[in-house]
Amino acid sequence: GGIITQTPKFLIGQEGQKLTLKCQQNFNHDTMYWYRQDSGKGLRLIYYSITENDLQKGDLSEGYDASREKKSSFSLTVTSAQKNEMAVFLCASSPPSGYAEQFFGPGTRLTVL
Amino acid sequence: GDSVTQTEGPVTLSEGTSLTVNCSYETKQYPTLFWYVQYPGEGPQLLFKVPKANEKGSNRGFEATYNKEATSFHLQKASVQESDSAVYYCALNVNTNTGKLTFGDGTVLTVKP
Repeated sequence: GGIITQTPKFLIGQEGQKLTLKCQQNFNHDTMYWYRQDSGKGLRLIYYSITENDLQKGDLSEGYDASREKKSSFSLTVTSAQKNEMAVFLCASSPPSGYAEQFFGPGTRLTVL
Repeated sequence: GDSVTQTEGPVTLSEGTSLTVNCSYETKQYPTLFWYVQYPGEGPQLLFKVPKANEKGSNRGFEATYNKEATSFHLQKASVQESDSAVYYCALNVNTNTGKLTFGDGTVLTVKP
């Protein structure tokens, strides 16, 4: 088995601040994802990466940057935090085979003051 | 683009009663369909997936049939338990290269003893 670790669990920042969320996986999966989960809404894809140093934009990439420097880690940066993007950010990974399951981390809850 | 629509919550049931969470999807391609479950404080986890039309998936007493004609994938359980209280997400994937999932908005289920 494996595990996805997200740090920090809770992140509090000021409006306009640049904030970074980190994700590590030990499944040895190729593909990793960042989702935003707003209360009462589904998971919306921000960025994904199908291999080390690859980055693909999702539906909600504006205002975010991502970095995949190692196969096991995937970082997300909120470039200028806004109050309307307070949400839970979920990281996931999946193996390369078609229609494979995604495994999720426990999430980072972002609060913007 | 692809979309998933599911029963709006919250849904509150008594233990021992039956559950149906409706899920309808739209896509021009041939999807694999998923049900994920998310318990408080955790990331979503796969309940089951069905890659082929007219087949049924099941796990932990939950089941759903991939109905291509009706473009539906309704989740059912004959007798719910308090431990089934969670958020349930219907999702689809059409791209085997990326594993990208399109999620519904989720249905919050509370089961009372």
